[in-house]
Amino acid sequence: DGGITQSPKYLFRKEGQNVTLSCEQNLNHDAMYWYRQDPGQGLRLIYYSQIVNDFQKGDIAEGYSVSREKKESFPLTVTSAQKNPTAFYLCASSILAEPGNTIYFGEGSWLTVV
Amino acid sequence: GQNIDQPTEMTATEGAIVQINCTYQTSGFNGLFWYQQHAGEAPTFLSYNVLDGLEEKGRFSSFLSRSKGYSYLLLKELQMKDSASYLCAVTLLTGGGNKLTFGTGTQLKVEL
Repeated sequence: DGGITQSPKYLFRKEGQNVTLSCEQNLNHDAMYWYRQDPGQGLRLIYYSQIVNDFQKGDIAEGYSVSREKKESFPLTVTSAQKNPTAFYLCASSILAEPGNTIYFGEGSWLTVV
Repeated sequence: GQNIDQPTEMTATEGAIVQINCTYQTSGFNGLFWYQQHAGEAPTFLSYNVLDGLEEKGRFSSFLSRSKGYSYLLLKELQMKDSASYLCAVTLLTGGGNKLTFGTGTQLKVEL
């Protein structure tokens, strides 16, 4: 089945640790995105990539890093510099990077700092 | 900057009709999406409006007025499974890429 796969579903991080969330898509989409969702707030864009080997900061990129070495993969690293990382993280993709292309979401990853 | 407003919560009765409003103030507006999100799950695409008017898709319809910066999602023949959060999101012509800016979502509760 085609889709967007995120792993792990649940992740616990100790203070000061870096963690990486995986995102893989087999939809042959050019563009990929990472959003963060906090209770009572809308989804906020962390990073996006319009094409392989390219990525841009979104609205809340501080404390996060990404790579886009393959079309199918867009992993997100939450670094120790992110002061409040506990949230629901959503990876997404669209066929093209032009405005108006429908963005499809993965199932999400819950990150909790312990 | 951009500002997107939706009511926080709404309650409706099974079988009824409900309208969820979304107003936005943005520069370089391109189009508006509606997504449905059940608790702890991924948002799923419902509709996309770029031109003024009503788009109907089964029990769900979405309306856009670009001049008024206003959209609504209309849900007919409500079912219990429609209890979810409904997210309004806009895309812009400028700034590069296909970024969505989301409202905070409207939590809809469908009751018997």
